Amino acid sequence: QLVESGGGLVQPGGSLRLSCAASGFTFSTYWMSWVRQAPGKGLEWVANMKPDGGEIDYVDSVKGRFTISRDNAKNSLYLQMNSLRAGDTAVYYCARDSGERSVDVWGQGTTVTVSS
Amino acid sequence: DVVMTQSPLSLSVTLGQPASISCRSSQSLIHGDGNTYLSWFHQRPGQSPRRLIHKISNRDSGVPDRFSGSGSGTDFTLKISRVEAEDVGIYSCMQGRRWPYTFGQGTKLEIK
Repeated sequence: QLVESGGGLVQPGGSLRLSCAASGFTFSTYWMSWVRQAPGKGLEWVANMKPDGGEIDYVDSVKGRFTISRDNAKNSLYLQMNSLRAGDTAVYYCARDSGERSVDVWGQGTTVTVSS
Repeated sequence: DVVMTQSPLSLSVTLGQPASISCRSSQSLIHGDGNTYLSWFHQRPGQSPRRLIHKISNRDSGVPDRFSGSGSGTDFTLKISRVEAEDVGIYSCMQGRRWPYTFGQGTKLEIK
């Protein structure tokens, strides 16, 4: 199970930190990801992180602004979002990479709204 | 980036009838390890996505056998043999061949 928190309303240029609490599986052995969905739009993979944190990928639109991290001792995944823009408004899902370059477990999502 | 193009974007189907959704990628999804990383997801309104199929045709646990996936290279298809009421929602394909992993625009299925 994955449970996200930390979403909310933030002004353009502001920051938010999303958290994801994992349970029911060995968190430290899975790639973990953040995937977002803007209102009425399709899904967009935002960031991806190796189990030991040694490899990280970001979609170009968030590079330099977002930072994915994890704490395997706490079974938690994070997304630090800085310099937020209106285009970052979306539901953000915490997701487990199944090991087949795909997602097999999704959180319920947390909503981020960037607006003045 | 690999562009995933789905068609149709909307589908209206009578209960019990079949449905088919096409997904085309801008590049071959065959990875150097021999696998083709193409998945299908279903999302009901207000819910998180759920994976139905991975690596073209492998159904996930608990997915009814009326769902099937096929294809190769750049052309893929999701088929529902007999549509049921619970199948309404948006279906999306996704490629894991190359980062950033990308999704199709989604196909909205409704009951006629």
